[in-house]
Amino acid sequence: EAQVTQNPRYLITVTGKKLTVTCSQNMNHEYMSWYRQDPGLGLRQIYYSMNVEVTDKGDVPEGYKVSRKEKRNFPLILESPSPNQTSLYFCASSSPSGANVLTFGAGSRLTVL
Amino acid sequence: QKEVEQNSGPLSVPEGAIASLNCTYSDRGSQSFFWYRQYSGKSPELIMFIYSNGDKEDGRFTAQLNKASQYVSLLIRDSQPSDSATYLCAAQGDYGQNFVFGPGTRLSVLP
Repeated sequence: EAQVTQNPRYLITVTGKKLTVTCSQNMNHEYMSWYRQDPGLGLRQIYYSMNVEVTDKGDVPEGYKVSRKEKRNFPLILESPSPNQTSLYFCASSSPSGANVLTFGAGSRLTVL
Repeated sequence: QKEVEQNSGPLSVPEGAIASLNCTYSDRGSQSFFWYRQYSGKSPELIMFIYSNGDKEDGRFTAQLNKASQYVSLLIRDSQPSDSATYLCAAQGDYGQNFVFGPGTRLSVLP
C-alpha cells in the first residue's frame, strides 16, 4: 500500500529534551515536506526537500531541523523543544509526475510541557 | 507574506444542496491550486487540483479558478452528510514545493 508513515503518532515531552519525528514514504517520491497544523492557522510549511541532500525552509522553520540522507526518509528534529511547538505535525510526499499532489502521513500530535 | 484566505465557517447546508467554498490568494505567481478534505482527527486528502482558468469537474465536485481575481472555489453538488469536513485550499508557488494553505472552511451537511 502506498503510504507515508510517521512515528511517533503521539508524544508528550518536556522543554529542552531533543526529539525526532520520523517520516518514511514507499512511493519513490522526489519531494517531501513537513507541516504543522494549529487551530485557526491551518497547515504551515516547516521545511521541504526536493531531493536527497536538498532541503529548504518553509514558512515556519525556527526551532526545527531536517535531513534527507535517503530518498524515502525525511526526519524532523526538534533540538530543544519549547511549549510553542506543541502542535499536530504532518509529513507529506509528492512527485512532479503526479501533479505535485501531496500524500500526507497520519499525523504526529506533539505536546511539549 | 504569501497568504491564502478562506472563510472559516462553519458553513451549513442541507443534504442534497450545493455547497460553495471560496478561497483567495495573495501571490500572483501561484501556479497550481489544490482542494483537500480533512475529517476530524485525520490527515488531509486530495479532492481536486486546478491550474488553468475556468472550471474543472470531477463527479459531484467542480473547481473554479480565476487568476485575474486571484480566486478559487469548490462547488459540491448533491451534498451528503459524509461531505461534512474541513476543506483546505492550497496554492503552490512558482518553484518547488512551496505550498501555502488556507485555514480551512468547516462544512456541515445536515440530514
